[in-house]
Amino acid sequence: SAVISQKPSRDICQRGTSLTIQCQVDSQVTMMFWYRQQPGQSLTLIATANQGSEATYESGFVIDKFPISRPNLTFSTLTVSNMSPEDSSIYLCSVQRDFNNEQFFGPGTRLTVL
Amino acid sequence: QKEVEQDPGPLSVPEGAIVSLNCTYSNSAFQYFMWYRQYSRKGPELLMYTYSSGNKEDGRFTAQVDKSSKYISLFIRDSQPSDSATYLCAMSAGGNNRLAFGKGNQVVVIP
Repeated sequence: SAVISQKPSRDICQRGTSLTIQCQVDSQVTMMFWYRQQPGQSLTLIATANQGSEATYESGFVIDKFPISRPNLTFSTLTVSNMSPEDSSIYLCSVQRDFNNEQFFGPGTRLTVL
Repeated sequence: QKEVEQDPGPLSVPEGAIVSLNCTYSNSAFQYFMWYRQYSRKGPELLMYTYSSGNKEDGRFTAQVDKSSKYISLFIRDSQPSDSATYLCAMSAGGNNRLAFGKGNQVVVIP
């Protein structure tokens, strides 16, 4: 498995502001992902964070709204930009050590936008 | 038709009962199958991971995959109150293909 930490664990933000969420893994991993989990819903993949290149976004998610960085093989950030109440959700990072598809999740960041 | 169908429940059982959860899927390319357990206000925890068809057992947990029917199951024997959580199925075709998740099934084990 992998030990994954996320910061902050929760935050309450004002409309129109931005929040950057950090994800740190205890060892190098091939793939890192960012998901959103809205209340009562399952997980929705936002993007795959690629080390050294631009993230790969899923349909419905754009870089201007959710810029992602991945400077190395153990760290990534997701920024939620120009927030609105509809962005209130749990944001989760996950990692995959190789292509055998065992994916492990961080504890999540609970975001509330007022 | 959604890629992965999972009845969200909730499911309440008495302590000691067998919990039976299942998911159906439509994409015949899926060959990696997972069950995650998510406690309230926590991230999903990988519980079971199987490749292709067959059974896998780990303690009180058994995962079954029937690719011919596009149907996967998770059984929890001798259920405990600590098993109360949401269980999500997930699956993938492998390689760079993303995971497809079910909606999750809330389970409550009553002491």
